[in-house]
Amino acid sequence: GIQVEQSPPDLILQEGANSTLRCNFSDSVNNLQWFHQNPWGQLINLFYIPSGTKQNGRLSATTVATERYSLLYISSSQTTDSGVYFCAVGASWGKLQFGAGTQVVVTP
Amino acid sequence: EAGVAQSPRYKIIEKRQSVAFWCNPISGHATLYWYQQILGQGPKLLIQFQNNGVVDDSQLPKDRFSAERLKGVDSTLKIQPAKLEDSAVYLCASSLGGQGGDTQYFGPGTRLTVL
Repeated sequence: GIQVEQSPPDLILQEGANSTLRCNFSDSVNNLQWFHQNPWGQLINLFYIPSGTKQNGRLSATTVATERYSLLYISSSQTTDSGVYFCAVGASWGKLQFGAGTQVVVTP
Repeated sequence: EAGVAQSPRYKIIEKRQSVAFWCNPISGHATLYWYQQILGQGPKLLIQFQNNGVVDDSQLPKDRFSAERLKGVDSTLKIQPAKLEDSAVYLCASSLGGQGGDTQYFGPGTRLTVL
């Protein structure tokens, strides 16, 4: 199956800082999604982005499918951004392979 | 629009007992997924339904796990008998469906503890 590697595994940020999370994958995909899992365990879909660039408020994502990586940018971080960020990829209809996640802690 | 509903939210059982989880997807979503998330790991797909048919159950331990989606709406996941290693959060997700995949929306999960 497709291997998904996320980096860094852990990230500590001061409120207001910017950061970049990376997701590398081992094979061609037609489905890539970024999720945020909050401290209460709820998974929230941030982006559906198999290629190209998207922005939603302080978050943006870029996927370079030909080079098999995706980046998630967090700007002006807030304490509510804390949690685990997962990248999930898929080569077949609907099925997603999740990475191990990046644990983000934003301190006041 | 209501999100994905799951129940119960928490369940504690002893090993060798049976347990069932229920999921109601977002209205109109044809595809339903069950994931298992072990502490510290990303979710792992157990089974995927398209309407009431199984699309993928390659990672479902079929000797003890079963799932059904009668009438193509809500779904039930059952474990019988449970083992200690089944302790995890069981997540249900849904999407509109369609070739190439769609945005998946997750429910709050059921946290299972097997003693």
